[in-house]
Amino acid sequence: KAGVTQTPRYLIKTRGQQVTLSCSPISGHRSVSWYQQTPGQGLQFLFEYFSETQRNKGNFPGRFSGRQFSNSRSEMNVSTLELGDSALYLCASSLVWGRTDTQYFGPGTRLTVL
Amino acid sequence: EDKVVQSPLSLVVHEGDTVTLNCSYEVTNFRSLLWYKQEKKAPTFLFMLTSSGIEKKSGRLSSILDKKELFSILNITATQTGDSAVYLCAVEAWGAQKLVFGQGTRLTINP
Repeated sequence: KAGVTQTPRYLIKTRGQQVTLSCSPISGHRSVSWYQQTPGQGLQFLFEYFSETQRNKGNFPGRFSGRQFSNSRSEMNVSTLELGDSALYLCASSLVWGRTDTQYFGPGTRLTVL
Repeated sequence: EDKVVQSPLSLVVHEGDTVTLNCSYEVTNFRSLLWYKQEKKAPTFLFMLTSSGIEKKSGRLSSILDKKELFSILNITATQTGDSAVYLCAVEAWGAQKLVFGQGTRLTINP
């Protein structure tokens, strides 16, 4: 069974631009969570989607948004990029909502904002 | 606000040594504590702990939770160079449906 895939793997943008990251969960998994990982703040929860609905949201500004499609694939969007948005963005999928012990992480998208 | 603190932040040992990684937490309505290993890419799940005093074991790795003192430890015995990684601790609260992570402990095993 294929794992969680994230595209692109690496991305370089400049301040003020916007970016869209994609996550394809493990086949059959319906819940997708997004996390931001930085050296200073560690891993921080962004949001979780289940059945195309956002079920939970972390403490991030409105520039961070996401969505989930009917095939459970998810995208996150960051508008008006800032230098501090440079990070590894990880997504994780699980079979059902709220089962963090069965979350499988993808390899991440490394975003660099110049 | 829920909080997880790991110590030490960095640890360098020789192959064959035993290491103990610490994780303390403050969370309202504690549900579970999880340990992950992160090498270059995706964190991989190690253990989930929900009850105090019950040791979880997998090969050379073991972990235990103390819900009274609000901490957990991860032990690795007979360390190998392949154990070099960042070890992450996370907690989940009932109803939160999200993980709060600590800063991680970067473990380096020298041959």
